[in-house]
Formats: sequence, C-alpha cells, structure tokens
Amino acid sequence: DAGVIQSPRHEVTEMGQEVTLRCKPISGHDYLFWYRQTMMRGLELLIYFNNNVPIDDSGMPEDRFSAKMPNASFSTLKIQPSEPRDSAVYFCASSLTDEQFFGPGTRLTVL
Amino acid sequence: EDKVVQSPLSLVVHEGDTVTLNCSYEVTNFRSLLWYKQEKKAPTFLFMLTSSGIEKKSGRLSSILDKKELFSILNITATQTGDSAVYLCAVEDFGGNMLTFGGGTRLMVKP
Repeated sequence: DAGVIQSPRHEVTEMGQEVTLRCKPISGHDYLFWYRQTMMRGLELLIYFNNNVPIDDSGMPEDRFSAKMPNASFSTLKIQPSEPRDSAVYFCASSLTDEQFFGPGTRLTVL
Repeated sequence: EDKVVQSPLSLVVHEGDTVTLNCSYEVTNFRSLLWYKQEKKAPTFLFMLTSSGIEKKSGRLSSILDKKELFSILNITATQTGDSAVYLCAVEDFGGNMLTFGGGTRLMVKP
C-alpha cells in the first residue's frame, strides 16, 4: 500500500479564496482523522470519521471549515473563505486499530 | 478535556549522550499513550503503552508508563544525529479513537 495520500502537498492562496485539501486513507482502514499543525498550537485534531461518518468535529475551528468523506477511500477538508491564520500544515491520518498512519501533510499558506 | 504536557520543550545534546523525555497527562478514560517521532514530515509511530511498569524497547529507544502518577518517559541512549526530531506524546481515551497530542519536545543531537 502507498500509505495515506494527501494532495496537494503545498497550497498558496489569497485570503478569501476557497481551499480544498484531499486525503486518501490506507485501504481497509475504517478511521480517518484530520489534524492541523502550527508552531503556536502544535498538533490539533480537527475532526474524525468512522466508517465514513463524522464522529467528532469539536476541533473544527469555525464554520469556515467543513469536512466530508463521501466514501471509504476519499475525504476532503474545505476552508471557505480562507484567512491568513489558517496557514498551517494539515495532516490526514487513518487507522484500523490503535496506530494512526499519517499522510505527508499539506502545507497551506494563506496570503 | 484531555491534556498532555511534554517536557522539556527543547533539548540540545551531543552524540553519545542519553536523553529522557517526559510526558504527563490528564485523561478521563485512559486507554493508551503513544509516542511519535516527527522529522520534516508526518509523525511516525514509535511506541504504544497501555500497562504500567512494562518497558517497551526498540533499539536505543525505550519507554515506560506510570498510570498511577500519570506520566511516561521516552529514553534514547547513545544518541545519534539522526535522532534529531520533535518527539510527540499522545493519549487515547475510550471515548473513541481520538488522540490528544502534547506540544512535543524538540531534540537536537550535535555531532
């Protein structure tokens, strides 16, 4: 398996634009997680899914953020409209048991 | 709310030194504690600890959990420059498959 795949790897956009981050979990994994990492706040859980169903989105910062998982092999994290304070690395992770496997991350810069 | 605190925040040592990284936690229904190593990419899994007093070991790295005092340590002996990374501690509770991460310890090993 290629591991967790995220795209794009880097995204630079202007404030107010919509940003969509994509994730393909490891085949067979039934949990999918979205994290955000910044210098100030470290690694934070935003939302996670179990069997494509959102279980806990309490970490989503505000209504500008939304996440979907239309099927077992694909998830998106959307920010609309984006703001400079959203600049961070966004990680997707998947798991079957306790060990979470992280994707390479998407580095988002909002100008 | 689950809480994880790591210390020290950063550490600089020379090759061959032994280091001890600390992780203390507060969690409602503790299930496991995990250690990750993060270099310039996504975190990679090191250990998962569920029982007190049982040391997990992998090469020069070892870790132990104390569920009574609510902390864990990660030891690295005979450090090498390749050990330079951020080491993350995370706890999992029985409420789901979620992880709460600490702020990390940034380790730099000088030649």
